[in-house]
Amino acid sequence: ETGVTQTPRHLVMGMTNKKSLKCEQHLGHNAMYWYKQSAKKPLELMFVYSLEERVENNSVPSRFSPECPNSSHLFLHLHTLQPEDSALYLCASSQEGLAINNEQFFGPGTRLTVL
Amino acid sequence: SQQGEEDPQALSIQEGENATMNCSYKTSINNLQWYRQNSGRGLVHLILIRSNEREKHSGRLRVTLDTSKKSSSLLITASRAADTASYFCATDHSGAGSYQLTFGKGTKLSVIP
Repeated sequence: ETGVTQTPRHLVMGMTNKKSLKCEQHLGHNAMYWYKQSAKKPLELMFVYSLEERVENNSVPSRFSPECPNSSHLFLHLHTLQPEDSALYLCASSQEGLAINNEQFFGPGTRLTVL
Repeated sequence: SQQGEEDPQALSIQEGENATMNCSYKTSINNLQWYRQNSGRGLVHLILIRSNEREKHSGRLRVTLDTSKKSSSLLITASRAADTASYFCATDHSGAGSYQLTFGKGTKLSVIP
């Protein structure tokens, strides 16, 4: 148990659906992250939020829309996804965002399948 | 590419043996981190070694960093079946106003009881 929870753990959706992934951290951290992990590819950083402000967006398609209402919660809103978006989506948090030498604490991930 | 690259891609050993995994990268780093991931689960942070450090220990884990060769190694001593997992190195290239932690593809370790 890392102190970072994600829901749902599994999600199957059609290409026309709209769904949201939720992440919550109970560690009092100031930064939160979304990563995408596809088979046989390195972990890809999608978004970084530091003190509820988005500080990094790694050229992620607009069909992925993050939201960080407070420093403990992070959402990833999904709409009109493609089958190639099927992956494990991991949320992480760290004490600071842009400060270096931070370890990250990961949630268990949401396994997303787009049909 | 700035990402760390682990070597080997897969490693299978007997319980009790030592396991060594290597990571190489291309540009200067602030630190290098090792993470572990059990199948289909989130990553767990193992060790962070800063660019001015050469070696670090944590229990049965030993990490070395050679910035001149841009490489790091993770040694797991006296391996156990429970060590079976994928191990990733991540290199921190963050600069002023820019966050950049890039992960490699990982080494899949199997420890046979």
